[in-house]
This record gives sequence, structure tokens and C-alpha cells, in this order.
Amino acid sequence: QQQVKQSPQSLIVQKGGISIINCAYENTAFDYFPWYQQFPGKGPALLIAIRPDVSEKKEGRFTISFNKSAKQFSLHIMDSQPGDSATYFCAASSYGNNRLAFGKGNQVVVIP
Amino acid sequence: DAGVIQSPRHEVTEMGQEVTLRCKPISGHNSLFWYRQTMMRGLELLIYFNNNVPIDDSGMPEDRFSAKMPNASFSTLKIQPSEPRDSAVYFCASSFSGDLGNEQFFGPGTRLTVL
Repeated sequence: QQQVKQSPQSLIVQKGGISIINCAYENTAFDYFPWYQQFPGKGPALLIAIRPDVSEKKEGRFTISFNKSAKQFSLHIMDSQPGDSATYFCAASSYGNNRLAFGKGNQVVVIP
Repeated sequence: DAGVIQSPRHEVTEMGQEVTLRCKPISGHNSLFWYRQTMMRGLELLIYFNNNVPIDDSGMPEDRFSAKMPNASFSTLKIQPSEPRDSAVYFCASSFSGDLGNEQFFGPGTRLTVL
């Protein structure tokens, strides 16, 4: 059973636009929510992460918004650039558990 | 600093052959994960080790798959006999379990093709 579900599956955005990817989770014990970025031919790499004690975290052009009551969190990419074209995975884990539950990934394509 | 090292980067083999994938985690990390990635199923966790001990192997597809971690700096994933449906990219990742962040560092992957 997929513990973390992402939407949409793929996204095409114009350069300078905003990319938004959503993620929903089931397990209320989850307390760590990272987003991973994967370029073709590479392994995923941590992009940004949030804990449920805050509702938003921003790092440069990347922002995570977290809604604990809805059990949802989203990644916003502001001023999207062609270099942001990649697959993005949301994930979740609970304290003391090394295992990350990954979503299936969203492919984002930023066109010039 | 060297990241997670995987070898080989590409492997092409024939059905029925034994395949061994290798991983060297980041020095000092005490957790190691093996993942498989396909278009259809996404990123699947196969097995993970903590302090060289297998903790959860529920993701291993079947008995044809086995993984070992003889020491803190080396792990193998073996498929015997291999089948065409095993074709995928296999990733190894490592982390330090003492970190609250649980950040996993992924290797570059091994692209396996079974003919």
C-alpha cells in the first residue's frame, strides 16, 4: 500500500512560472517530510525537508507548505528554470525509523 | 568527499545468470538501503541494514534476491538466477541513523538489463 501519494504525475511549466507538486500521506506518526530531486542518470538527492512543527519552509526558490490536519504537503518551485527539470519525490518517515516511504515521483519539465 | 559508490554502473546479462551489485556507503554512516527503480513501480525499498544487520527485507521480491553487508563499508545485492523482469536501476543509499533528519544519500545507481 502506497503510504505517500503524489500528484500530478507530470507537470510542464513555462520558464519563470510556478511549479506545484502535492503529496498526501496516511500515517499520522510521520514527522519528517523531505522532497528529493532526481536528474536523469543520477540518484535522488535531498532538496528540502520539513517537520510538522512549522507550516512552511523556504530555501531559495523552493518552498514546502505543510498542512497537518489535511495530511498533505506540497513543493512550490518559484521562478521555475529549465535546470529545475527533474523528477521530484516526496517522502515521509517517523522519528527513530530510518526508513523513508517514497511517493512515486513527479516529472517536472520547464520549457524556455 | 566521496559519496556512495556503486559498481558496476551498467550491467547487461542474460536470463539465468547471476548478477552481483556492489555498494560502498559514506564513511561513518550506519544505515544502508537498497532500492529498485522502474517506470512502472517507481522507487521501491528492497532491504535496509542498520549497523550491518538486516532490519527489513520485506521488499525483496523473492528468494532469487539476497543482500549482505559483511562490514560497515561494503554491501552486495545478488540476483540468482536473473530474469528479464529484474531489469531496472538499482540504487544504494546510506545515512547516519543518529541524525534527526534521516537524510539518505544515494549512489549513482546500477542500470541492470537482463536479456
